[in-house]
Amino acid sequence: SYELTQPPSVSVSPGQTASITCSGDDLGNKYACWYQQKPGQSPVLVIYHDHKRPSGIPERFSGSNSGNTATLTISGTQAMDEAYYHCQAWDSSTPLFVFGTGTKLTVL
Amino acid sequence: EVQLVESGGGLIQPGGSLRLTCVASDFTVSSNYMSWVRQAPGKGLEWVSIIYSDGITTYYADSVKGRFTISRDNSKNTVYLQMNSLRVEDTAVYYCARAYDFWSGNTDWGHGTLVTVSS
Repeated sequence: SYELTQPPSVSVSPGQTASITCSGDDLGNKYACWYQQKPGQSPVLVIYHDHKRPSGIPERFSGSNSGNTATLTISGTQAMDEAYYHCQAWDSSTPLFVFGTGTKLTVL
Repeated sequence: EVQLVESGGGLIQPGGSLRLTCVASDFTVSSNYMSWVRQAPGKGLEWVSIIYSDGITTYYADSVKGRFTISRDNSKNTVYLQMNSLRVEDTAVYYCARAYDFWSGNTDWGHGTLVTVSS
């Protein structure tokens, strides 16, 4: 079965750039999206179609997807960005809707 | 305002059945891809099932195939998840989510309903 691997945890200082990776076989040829989830809350979509931001998501959130890796980048990280981040791959041909293993972002 | 409201969770013994309900507001479920996603305590998200906008095409995670059934009632703008032969490992918060298309991701999520399978 298809798997998406994320680092369990990433730490960043306030104001710095955080990068969270999501690795899977031929992921660059699938649609990748990213969700933010804070404790006790439902997930919120922060990146779709590899690199697009939904309305209301700050510009500091960006994404890329190529080869076997999708990356979520948070520039000028703020304390409010501390959360779990989950990637998801969508592929209509397989079909595929799998989630990554999840990453806890800590803003120190 | 778009809303998804799940209900039907609870405590159930192994081998039992439950039906989860997801009522949608301010959009039409029949025009979207509707998914169920679950999250076991302290764990990540796990995709469970999806029903396409055609209302016919459905898919399931291997972990629930043959035990869970997704369906919808257009007249009630509602999506269901019938869960049979429940196992302890099905214990999780179950979320209902909506996607416009494959490229859009799940744009809207419900608050979730907790299913606890225990004797």
